[in-house]
Amino acid sequence: GQNIDQPTEMTATEGAIVQINCTYQTSGFNGLFWYQQHAGEAPTFLSYNVLDGLEEKGRFSSFLSRSKGYSYLLLKELQMKDSASYLCAALDSNYQLIWGAGTKLIIKP
Amino acid sequence: IAGITQAPTSQILAAGRRMTLRCTQDMRHNAMYWYRQDLGLGLRLIHYSNTAGTTGKGEVPDGYSVSRANTDDFPLTLASAVPSQTSVYFCASSDSREGTGELFFGEGSRLTVL
Repeated sequence: GQNIDQPTEMTATEGAIVQINCTYQTSGFNGLFWYQQHAGEAPTFLSYNVLDGLEEKGRFSSFLSRSKGYSYLLLKELQMKDSASYLCAALDSNYQLIWGAGTKLIIKP
Repeated sequence: IAGITQAPTSQILAAGRRMTLRCTQDMRHNAMYWYRQDLGLGLRLIHYSNTAGTTGKGEVPDGYSVSRANTDDFPLTLASAVPSQTSVYFCASSDSREGTGELFFGEGSRLTVL
C-alpha cells in the first residue's frame, strides 16, 4: 500500500534549526510537497520537489532523495509564528496526492 | 481578493439530514478537490474535478456527491449525514490538472453530525 510517515510532534527553541523528516512509499512518484497548517486554518503551500537535492526558499529548505524515498523540511532561525503542523504529501504515478498525518511543531521561547 | 471561499464555516447537523457545502474560486483554476481532515489522519480526498463538467471519486467518496457545472463552483453534498461524517472539510483548487501545481485551500467547513 501507499504510505507517508512523519513524526507526530516535535519541539524546538526559538532561533534554532529544526529538521522534519518524511518517508514515503508510493506506486510511482511525481514529486513531493510540503504544506504548513496553523491550528484552525487552511494548509498553505511551502515547497514542491521532484528532483533530488536541496531547494532553499528563505528560512525554509526542502530536500528530496528519490532513491531513499525520503524528504525533509529544514526550518532555520525559528520564530514563534512557525508553530504549526507541517504536512508532507507525495504525488503517485496516477498524480494522486498521498498525505501524511502531519508533524505538529511546537516552538518554545 | 482572489481566492477560494467555502460556506458555511461551521455547521451542526442532525443525522439523516441533507447538507451541501459550497465552494467557489475566482482564480479560474481547472482542477478542484474536496478533502476531509480528521485528527491523527492525513487529508483524505473525497471527490475531485479536473475540469468543468467532469468529476471523479477519491479515496473516501461514499456518502458524498459533487457536481461541477462551471469552472468556479464545486459543491459537496451529503445526502443523508451520519456521525462518521463529522470532520473538517477543505475545498482546494489548482491550475495544474496533473496535480503538480500548488493547491490553494479554502478556510474549511467544520461539520458536526449528531
